[in-house]
Amino acid sequence: DAGVIQSPRHEVTEMGQEVTLRCKPISGHNSLFWYRQTMMRGLELLIYFNNNVPIDDSGMPEDRFSAKMPNASFSTLKIQPSEPRDSAVYFCASSRETGAANYGYTFGSGTRLTVV
Amino acid sequence: DAKTTQPNSMESNEEEPVHLPCNHSTISGTDYIHWYRQLPSQGPEYVIHGLTSNVNNRMASLAIAEDRKSSTLILHRATLRDAAVYYCILSNNNDMRFGAGTRLTVKP
Repeated sequence: DAGVIQSPRHEVTEMGQEVTLRCKPISGHNSLFWYRQTMMRGLELLIYFNNNVPIDDSGMPEDRFSAKMPNASFSTLKIQPSEPRDSAVYFCASSRETGAANYGYTFGSGTRLTVV
Repeated sequence: DAKTTQPNSMESNEEEPVHLPCNHSTISGTDYIHWYRQLPSQGPEYVIHGLTSNVNNRMASLAIAEDRKSSTLILHRATLRDAAVYYCILSNNNDMRFGAGTRLTVKP
């Protein structure tokens, strides 16, 4: 298995532009998670999906952020418009079954976003 | 959410055992104890998890106190490659929230 695949690996964009981050979870995993990591705030859970349905988006910082999961093999995290404070590493993770208490997460390699 | 407390940093010598502690005095009966680690410039990596009994896998061992208010991740022989931030997390649902973790330094 190729693991959780994120693209792009690096993204540099200008303030005000739209940014779309992509994630392909592991086949057979039905839960997907988006995290953001910064030096100041550490790893923050933004949103998670179960069976393609958003379950908890309370971590999404504001309306500029949106996430979709149109099918079991693809998810996007969109920032529009982007701001310099959105600069961070964004991780996607997936897990099998509900109740991740029983199953570990597999993380992607992350997308390093820089907004200038 | 139940909280965990870990030391900010620890040091170990290569090829020696390492015991990484985690306190979770407010743990509930349905909380699992998870450990992840994050190597430099990589995403977090699952290490081990348990509920009540001690657990062993190829990476590490997890020792859980009888009252479940604390646990210890044991690396039996630390290598330079084990230098990472180690996170102890409590979760009883599909929701894993990371704290600051313990930064482990391994000295040759």
